Amino acid sequence: EPEVTQTPSHQVTQMGQEVILRCVPISNHLYFYWYRQILGQKVEFLVSFYNNEISEKSEIFDDQFSVERPDGSNFTLKIRSTKLEDSAMYFCASRLAGGSHEQYFGPGTRLTVT
Amino acid sequence: AQSVTQPDIHITVSEGASLELRCNYSYGATPYLFWYVQSPGQGLQLLLKYFSGDTLVQGIKGFEAEFKRSQSSFNLRKPSVHWSDAAEYFCAVLDLYNNNDMRFGAGTRLTVKP
Repeated sequence: EPEVTQTPSHQVTQMGQEVILRCVPISNHLYFYWYRQILGQKVEFLVSFYNNEISEKSEIFDDQFSVERPDGSNFTLKIRSTKLEDSAMYFCASRLAGGSHEQYFGPGTRLTVT
Repeated sequence: AQSVTQPDIHITVSEGASLELRCNYSYGATPYLFWYVQSPGQGLQLLLKYFSGDTLVQGIKGFEAEFKRSQSSFNLRKPSVHWSDAAEYFCAVLDLYNNNDMRFGAGTRLTVKP
């Protein structure tokens, strides 16, 4: 069964550094999402992406964040200058256009900012 | 705004006992509802979903949930809990008015006593 994959599984970075989290959505999916889960808290929506542009973003998704679909398979989340509070689990999700609306989640990338 | 409430932060049940995890939603139209399970350090696994039709939905691992519009609830149940069910459980609603991003509840942590 096709699945969403994410790399790396764990990323450790120093405060102020840039990080890129990578996701490979399911191949025929057209909508892509990033979510964040700070340790012990609920999963929060960051951004949605469709047709090569951001569809919606939450208040968390400030100028330090950006997303890109650099080729036909990858979907990336970049954090320009990481802060301690960016430490969290980041989940990528994708879904088909129309239909069931079900989003398929990747296993997540744990980001630790020191 | 669309939202999901899970009133119970932590529940402890004995192995073999029945389980019910509560979820209430606030949504203007017919909601698309989900239950996910997250084991420690792991990603989100879909247990079951409700889009329409039969209000009692069956999921994986012996879980079921019942949609009750009159109570704005979508409670998760299992007749006999196994030790391996210990995890964090998240209820979520798909927000169709905001480009299909998922709104998650705060989660309920399940502990299973031997």
